[in-house]
Amino acid sequence: DARVTQTPRHKVTEMGQEVTMRCQPILGHNTVFWYRQTMMQGLELLAYFRNRAPLDDSGMPKDRFSAEMPDATLATLKIQPSEPRDSAVYFCASGFPGGNEQFFGPGTRLTVL
Amino acid sequence: DQQVKQNSPSLSVQEGRISILNCDYTNSMFDYFLWYKKYPAEGPTFLISISSIKDKNEDGRFTVFLNKSAKHLSLHIVPSQPGDSAVYFCAAFSSGSARQLTFGSGTQLTVLP
Repeated sequence: DARVTQTPRHKVTEMGQEVTMRCQPILGHNTVFWYRQTMMQGLELLAYFRNRAPLDDSGMPKDRFSAEMPDATLATLKIQPSEPRDSAVYFCASGFPGGNEQFFGPGTRLTVL
Repeated sequence: DQQVKQNSPSLSVQEGRISILNCDYTNSMFDYFLWYKKYPAEGPTFLISISSIKDKNEDGRFTVFLNKSAKHLSLHIVPSQPGDSAVYFCAAFSSGSARQLTFGSGTQLTVLP
């Protein structure tokens, strides 16, 4: 049963701390997306990778957010330092080459106090 | 500037009746549209899609209609079932771009037994 997995599922941290969220895309998928869901903004695209190369991270606050794919089975989203306004659910999604659908993970619910 | 808009945050329908969820878009470059369903504490799951070369696509109880001149699409669910109660997101992309999805803000559908 191929699924996108995300860890941790929940994270509570204090303002100023570093947060790292991890995503394992579905094997064989070559595109990876990071989204943030907030009550006010809905689902916002933060970053997009194809074949592990970042293609678009214009949705990300560059001063504190960074996204990487150290290998084809792992994508990371890091926030340093975290702020209360970063509290949201962060979703990772992956897609197969040439495909139109994106397959979402269960999300990481982040709370920054 | 929201390029994909779902103007109804919520919709309640009686079991067995038709549910109609609406979505409007402003970007004329969008040529592929998708609907996702999301249950609480889970990631969005793909439901149905339509290319701009079509005006209708049907899959079981779900039908998506596209009106390009009005930049409007709708999702029909017939008959509605209590298990259909979820948040429905409309999404779109331009195949000439990097296929990044732009999402609407979602509509909470409640199907009453």
